[in-house]
Amino acid sequence: QVQLQESGPGLVKPSETLSLTCSVSGGSISNHYWIWIRQPPGRGLEWIGYIYSSGSTSYKPSLKSRVTISLDTSKKQFSLKLRSVTAADTAVYFCVRGNSEYDGLYSYYMDVWGKGTTVTVSS
Amino acid sequence: SSELTQDPTVSVALGQTVRITCQGDSLRTYYASWYQQKPGQAPTLVLYGNNNRPPGIPDRFSGSSSGNTASLTITGAQAEDEADYYCNSLDSSLFGSGTKVTVL
Repeated sequence: QVQLQESGPGLVKPSETLSLTCSVSGGSISNHYWIWIRQPPGRGLEWIGYIYSSGSTSYKPSLKSRVTISLDTSKKQFSLKLRSVTAADTAVYFCVRGNSEYDGLYSYYMDVWGKGTTVTVSS
Repeated sequence: SSELTQDPTVSVALGQTVRITCQGDSLRTYYASWYQQKPGQAPTLVLYGNNNRPPGIPDRFSGSSSGNTASLTITGAQAEDEADYYCNSLDSSLFGSGTKVTVL
């Protein structure tokens, strides 16, 4: 059974860099999308971006200038760096495994989620 | 436009049927996937692709799609189905704003 576990500081100062790591256990890194999603307090889910097992990346346009997602296949970990954070980046951050299929329509779905880690941006 | 529209809240009597809808142009090309989130928990996948349920998801959850609208139906809603439900589309990058389902 695949499990994901987020780790990283729970408190980050404004203007600094938020860094989180997700450890993958019980399954392969190959042929999956490795995704970061966040949820500000009391609000909905916000997609941040993904890295595919091949190394290709995609980021939310409004965050693209501040975000880097990387993958370490040897450690079975993927990471999120979000630079120049503000209070608006305070959220629960989830790491997620994604999949894709095609049968005439495209199907992308996220079947394994970490429990989430709370990151607060405050001085 | 690249957005998914969901009703903010719906309610259903215990044991009755409720349908949650998700509208967006992307649904003409991409299937929706649906996620259930209970307070303080991570979301869980309940439906994806052409009406596929992951292991462990009860068959009272079903899906359909027509044009630019995808639907999640709960047939015989249970108290434990009370949660927020989010639809998702494109390459996972697009979320609806969520529907809070209350079971009366």
